[in-house]
Amino acid sequence: SAVISQKPSRDICQRGTSLTIQCQVDSQVTMMFWYRQQPGQSLTLIATANQGSEATYESGFVIDKFPISRPNLTFSTLTVSNMSPEDSSIYLCSVERSTDTQYFGPGTRLTVL
Amino acid sequence: KQEVTQIPAALSVPEGENLVLNCSFTDSAIYNLQWFRQDPGKGLTSLLLIQSSQREQTSGRLNASLDKSSGRSTLYIAASQPGDSATYLCAVRPWSNYQLIWGAGTKLIIKP
Repeated sequence: SAVISQKPSRDICQRGTSLTIQCQVDSQVTMMFWYRQQPGQSLTLIATANQGSEATYESGFVIDKFPISRPNLTFSTLTVSNMSPEDSSIYLCSVERSTDTQYFGPGTRLTVL
Repeated sequence: KQEVTQIPAALSVPEGENLVLNCSFTDSAIYNLQWFRQDPGKGLTSLLLIQSSQREQTSGRLNASLDKSSGRSTLYIAASQPGDSATYLCAVRPWSNYQLIWGAGTKLIIKP
C-alpha cells in the first residue's frame, strides 16, 4: 500500500488568487497523478508528474493554470492559478505501485468565492 | 474511445442483503480494472484490482468479477452493513498508458 498525505485538506479562496496543494508519499514513486473531482462528478485526470521532467497535461488542462512541481520522488505540488468559482472541486493526488494499484490521498476540498 | 458506465447511479438496500454493483466498458482491450470506494469528503480507497488475465478477485465480503468479452465487471457485496455505505467507483486502465478511465459511481446506502 501507500500512505499519502495532502495539504491543505480544505480551503476557501477568493476569486483571482492562487492555491498550492502539497502531496507527500511515504516512499519513493516514479509517477504521481493529479485529479480533479467536481461536485457530483467522477474523477478527471489533470496531469501526470514524473520526477525530473515536465508534467504531462491532459486535454483541457494547461500548465499556466495548473503548474505542477515534482522536486523529488516523494513529493509534488499542484497550483490552481487565478481561481474562479468553476475551480471549486476536490483535488486528489495518487500514485501507482508496482502492483498496478493506484492509491489516493485524502483530497483537498477547494471552494472559490 | 473507452467509456465506463456504472448502473445504478444510486442504490438503497436494507442491512444484511447481498448486492451487486455493475460496471460496463466499451473497449475490451484493458490492462486492468479497479474498484474503489469513496466516503463523503474523503479520498478514495482501493478495494480490488483485477488484471486483464484474471476473472475475479475476492477480499473479505467483496468479490469482483471481470468479463472482458462482454465489457462487464461486477462488485458483489455479501451481508451488507451500514458501514458499506459509500460511493463505489470502477476504473479501467488501457494498455496504452497509465490513465484510468472512470465510471461516474454508484452511491450505496445500507439502511440499518
